[in-house]
Amino acid sequence: DAKTTQPNSMESNEEEPVHLPCNHSTISGTDYIHWYRQLPSQGPEYVIHGLTSNVNNRMASLAIAEDRKSSTLILHRATLRDAAVYYCILLQGGSEKLVFGKGTKLTVNP
Amino acid sequence: DAGVTQSPTHLIKTRGQQVTLRCSPKSGHDTVSWYQQALGQGPQFIFQYYEEEERQRGNFPDRFSGHQFPNYSSELNVNALLLGDSALYLCASSSVISKWEETQYFGPGTRLLVL
Repeated sequence: DAKTTQPNSMESNEEEPVHLPCNHSTISGTDYIHWYRQLPSQGPEYVIHGLTSNVNNRMASLAIAEDRKSSTLILHRATLRDAAVYYCILLQGGSEKLVFGKGTKLTVNP
Repeated sequence: DAGVTQSPTHLIKTRGQQVTLRCSPKSGHDTVSWYQQALGQGPQFIFQYYEEEERQRGNFPDRFSGHQFPNYSSELNVNALLLGDSALYLCASSSVISKWEETQYFGPGTRLLVL
């Protein structure tokens, strides 16, 4: 299974931007980069995904390095509701299972 | 539109017993995956069902089995429960648009405690 590396925890202040990094140096050409988050006492929630180009949606932006060996999830203005564990996942070509690591626990301070 | 629903929300069993967990997928979804999440860890893939067949399986023993019904709902069965089976069991549903672009929608989970 393709491996990702994320910091264990990060802290942010409310209404400030947050950049959550993910390293995936062994990514293959057909792996999609997916981000999910898990709020306390809930199941994981899809955030965003991409292949090569940067992506934006109503929740976040995904910046993918040109060599695809790293990516960054960007929350433009963090709110208290964004406090969660964020998982960076590579969805392997031909596989349909999500392989979760331990993720990054984001704390948002008021 | 109801999202993914799971039942029961909590369950307590003793070692050696058997348990059945249930999942109804999001409307319009035809694929169901099951995950196990131990405390403090990320979810681990158990298996996935599509067209009533197990399509892919993670590294779990045969004590873990499943079923998908014609209405796409699914059950997870665990036999001969061990203390280590205590975890949050998550169900996720999806609809295959492109094989590598599946977005999975998760339910709230069933918290299983084995004593």
